[in-house]
Amino acid sequence: GIQVEQSPPDLILQEGANSTLRCNFSDSVNNLQWFHQNPWGQLINLFYIPSGTKQNGRLSATTVATERYSLLYISSSQTTDSGVYFCAVPMNYGGSQGNLIFGKGTKLSVKP
Amino acid sequence: NAGVTQTPKFQVLKTGQSMTLQCAQDMNHNSMYWYRQDPGMGLRLIYYSASEGTTDKGEVPNGYNVSRLNKREFSLRLESAAPSQTSVYFCATPTEGGEQYFGPGTRLTVT
Repeated sequence: GIQVEQSPPDLILQEGANSTLRCNFSDSVNNLQWFHQNPWGQLINLFYIPSGTKQNGRLSATTVATERYSLLYISSSQTTDSGVYFCAVPMNYGGSQGNLIFGKGTKLSVKP
Repeated sequence: NAGVTQTPKFQVLKTGQSMTLQCAQDMNHNSMYWYRQDPGMGLRLIYYSASEGTTDKGEVPNGYNVSRLNKREFSLRLESAAPSQTSVYFCATPTEGGEQYFGPGTRLTVT
């Protein structure tokens, strides 16, 4: 089945720094999602980004489907950005409601 | 509009006890999913329901049963809980375009 790899596994930043998180996937996909799992365990939808670039405030994401990777950019990081960031792709390529395969996540700690 | 709700939020069971985790969505979506998340891991699919009246196994179905009660509700049952089922359980539902939305999770400990 499809493999999803995220890097780096851990990241420590000072408040105000920028960062880039990477997600590689082993097969063609028709959608990709980025999630933030906050310290209370909630999974928050960040981006639904099958291809191209999207921006939402200090966060942006780019997916290059032909090269099988996606990047999540966090600018001017804040302590509230701490948590684990997951990317996930559907298992059933071609289906619009495929079960999601998750990477193991990047654990981000932003220090004040 | 609550999105996806789950009950209970926390539960402690003894080995061999049974329980049912409840999930409801008010998004009028056809599909619903149950995932589990173990420490340091992403989520893994337990069971899913593509539409009312249908259910299918996911990656890790052993030890679980599900019921799609109606379009809104999808429950997950542990008949005889084991310590290996200690985990956080998430229910999810996708839009027609495939974007999945998750409930707040149920943290289950089996001693």
